[in-house]
Amino acid sequence: DVKVTQSSRYLVKRTGEKVFLECVQDMDHENMFWYRQDPGLGLRLIYFSYDVKMKEKGDIPEGYSVSREKKERFSLILESASTNQTSMYLCASSFPRDRLIYSNQPQHFGDGTRLSIL
Amino acid sequence: GNSVTQMEGPVTLSEEAFLTINCTYTATGYPSLFWYVQYPGEGLQLLLKATKADDKGSNKGFEATYRKETTSFHLEKGSVQVSDSAVYFCALRFLSNTGNQFYFGTGTSLTVIP
Repeated sequence: DVKVTQSSRYLVKRTGEKVFLECVQDMDHENMFWYRQDPGLGLRLIYFSYDVKMKEKGDIPEGYSVSREKKERFSLILESASTNQTSMYLCASSFPRDRLIYSNQPQHFGDGTRLSIL
Repeated sequence: GNSVTQMEGPVTLSEEAFLTINCTYTATGYPSLFWYVQYPGEGLQLLLKATKADDKGSNKGFEATYRKETTSFHLEKGSVQVSDSAVYFCALRFLSNTGNQFYFGTGTSLTVIP
């Protein structure tokens, strides 16, 4: 089974802090994603990466950055945390972006990190 | 553009009731379709999938049929249990010129009462 592991289930930080959320997958997936989930808004894509050192902005990248130094690890960074970044953060991974044979493969999600910024 | 629309919740049902959660999509080409379930405090888990027209995905008593003619992928279960209380997401994935893209619905919250 695919395992996507997020480093923390719950995290409390203060306004202005630099926050790191870590995600590791064990299935050699090329693609990795960061979403945030807020009531009434569903999942919103922050950033994704389709290879080591590659990243692309999603729908709401402002205030965030990412790092993909190794294939299995994808980090989300809040450069200067603000209260409006309080949310549930979900990491996901999947097989490659550009091969038809993988187009029927799902994303696999971690358990999520519930982040509170005080 | 490509999108997924699912019925808004919340949905509240009594145990053993019949469940339908509607999902329709807009996509060019031939997407694969998925239902995910999110239990309280957890991430999303794949519930079922269908990869071509008329395919039926099924798991844990849930079913959904890929209807290309109506661009729909409605989730159904004949007899819900309290343990089915969760948020359900419809999603699609397809291969475009820029690669495989994922789109999610906004989620439908289901509460099953004893």
